Amino acid sequence: EAQVTQNPRYLITVTGKKLTVTCSQNMNHEYMSWYRQDPGLGLRQIYYSMNVEVTDKGDVPEGYKVSRKEKRNFPLILESPSPNQTSLYFCASSLPGRERGNEQFFGPGTRLTVL
Amino acid sequence: GQQVMQIPQYQHVQEGEDFTTYCNSSTTLSNIQWYKQRPGGHPVFLIQLVKSGEVKKQKRLTFQFGEAKKNSSLHITATQTTDVGTYFCAGQNTGKLIFGQGTTLQVKP
Repeated sequence: EAQVTQNPRYLITVTGKKLTVTCSQNMNHEYMSWYRQDPGLGLRQIYYSMNVEVTDKGDVPEGYKVSRKEKRNFPLILESPSPNQTSLYFCASSLPGRERGNEQFFGPGTRLTVL
Repeated sequence: GQQVMQIPQYQHVQEGEDFTTYCNSSTTLSNIQWYKQRPGGHPVFLIQLVKSGEVKKQKRLTFQFGEAKKNSSLHITATQTTDVGTYFCAGQNTGKLIFGQGTTLQVKP
């Protein structure tokens, strides 16, 4: 089944404790992206990657890191989480140029709480 | 930076009434996409518009892309309870995808 998976789905942590949220897709998509969703603000792009070893900042990259060493994986790293990073995080992937264009396939989401 | 504004934020309608959400970008877009997110779920792609003035239909849903490629709308005819959710537009310019704030639709049976 074609899908985007994220782990963990739920995480409660404390300020300053480094964490990684994994994202993996099995559709051979070139484009991958991370978003955070906050009430009233919609989805805001954190980082995106056009292909392996190619990453770029989205609208809200501060406090986050990413890497794209393999096509299928795009982990999101919070080196020193703070309470303002409490949010719902979505990973998404797409294959530009297909008939449906840049359709983003979203993962199920990771709800992160930083105390 | 580039912004995409979406209105209204919330809409409550009686089942059978029509619904429209509007999207405006501060810059010209290469394309605009629409997504639907059910409560507790993840965004699901509905459609992409690329051409200036483009209009596309999916059953009761009509999508429009403005002539200047800076605005778009989604119109639902005769809403049903299954239409409940939050509708997002997302404007693309190069690799970035900028989402609007979303319009949450509630439908009273």
